[in-house]
Amino acid sequence: DTGVSQNPRHKITKRGQNVTFRCDPISEHNRLYWYRQTLGQGPEFLTYFQNEAQLEKSRLLSDRFSAERPKGSFSTLEIQRTEQGDSAMYLCASRPIRDRVYGYTFGSGTRLTVV
Amino acid sequence: GQQVMQIPQYQHVQEGEDFTTYCNSSTTLSNIQWYKQRPGGHPVFLIQLVKSGEVKKQKRLTFQFGEAKKNSSLHITATQTTDVGTYFCAGPEAGGGSNYKLTFGKGTLLTVNP
Repeated sequence: DTGVSQNPRHKITKRGQNVTFRCDPISEHNRLYWYRQTLGQGPEFLTYFQNEAQLEKSRLLSDRFSAERPKGSFSTLEIQRTEQGDSAMYLCASRPIRDRVYGYTFGSGTRLTVV
Repeated sequence: GQQVMQIPQYQHVQEGEDFTTYCNSSTTLSNIQWYKQRPGGHPVFLIQLVKSGEVKKQKRLTFQFGEAKKNSSLHITATQTTDVGTYFCAGPEAGGGSNYKLTFGKGTLLTVNP
């Protein structure tokens, strides 16, 4: 499978716990994005990596959220001290290095439920 | 900040009827993209439009980009049950740099009665 892979698919956690999600992008895609989607809404931008560098982070993202992309390959998104408002689908997307090819390839997402 | 609005929010049609969804941005866009998300699925890229006034077709789907590059539309001719899903438009701000961070609309949920 050469698509974007996300793990786990589902995560249920108690409020206050830390969670970590993983994204494996398409290998030749150097640009990686994290988005969050809640019911009835479009995906909302969280953060962006070009290779291993995190170039942009949403101002809406609290300090409890952190993302890494060591060696410019897979990426992890960690949420510390989860809150019920963090319940959402967390989507990872990647895009190739070629300009003029703008479309994202999304993974299947990780659905987080905070109880 | 940039806002992308879509109407209608929901559309229910009989199979065989046409469907149109409209997208408007508060700022000029360098390009507009359309995605489809099936129920329980993830967004899947359909198409990108770059030029002012551009029209592209994919079988029964017709996409348009406005002259001012601030609005777009998706028209489906003779809908089928396989067209069911939420259609999102998305675009980066013009001059927003090479990261092409996308702002998505809230989408239009299309349901088709067989």
